Amino acid sequence: DTEVTQTPKHLVMGMTNKKSLKCEQHMGHRAMYWYKQKAKKPPELMFVYSYEKLSINESVPSRFSPECPNSSLLNLHLHALQPEDSALYLCASSQDVQVLWAYEQYFGPGTRLTVT
Amino acid sequence: EDQVTQSPEALRLQEGESSSLNCSYTVSGLRGLFWYRQDPGKGPEFLFTLYSAGEEKEKERLKATLTKKESFLHITAPKPEDSATYLCAVLVNSGGGADGLTFGKGTHLIIQP
Repeated sequence: DTEVTQTPKHLVMGMTNKKSLKCEQHMGHRAMYWYKQKAKKPPELMFVYSYEKLSINESVPSRFSPECPNSSLLNLHLHALQPEDSALYLCASSQDVQVLWAYEQYFGPGTRLTVT
Repeated sequence: EDQVTQSPEALRLQEGESSSLNCSYTVSGLRGLFWYRQDPGKGPEFLFTLYSAGEEKEKERLKATLTKKESFLHITAPKPEDSATYLCAVLVNSGGGADGLTFGKGTHLIIQP
């Protein structure tokens, strides 16, 4: 099973709201990722967690705050977003980041976020 | 600067008409090249990983190959259900151990019945 689940599927929020995106995997993977994808563009890396520790933050604004409560869960907390943050937010996981053959990333279906 | 370029941007084929998609890369320290398929509004679906020049992998009507400068995704006798955007991504050796993927812009493939 290579399933990554994400909730909610769709989210509409105002610029003053606080919301969270959730991602879950039960494949025993130790690396998890957040990507942002604008319409007709490729996914862009936001954050990487390896063994529940943040290892990469690609200069993402502080209004995006990631959290990895345990090896199966990944959250993305959203606060004071701008309309240009509207996009598809994708979560992915891979078995490891230290072993090349275990680097294949499996993506969830994404959360379609609209900021009004 | 690492770059991944896919061509063509869009491709329309008749059902059964074979073709190839190209992914050229200019990166230092390539650790792996990945192919994904993405349907509208959905997350990318993993297809292949290639690690070294000369490597080939096949899955149903798809075959991926890798050279030192580019990768090809060959589609043999495609069917309408093969219509999707095909994304190429690279993993480079930054020395830090944990890296994300850098994606090309994708090829939008349409297979007409």
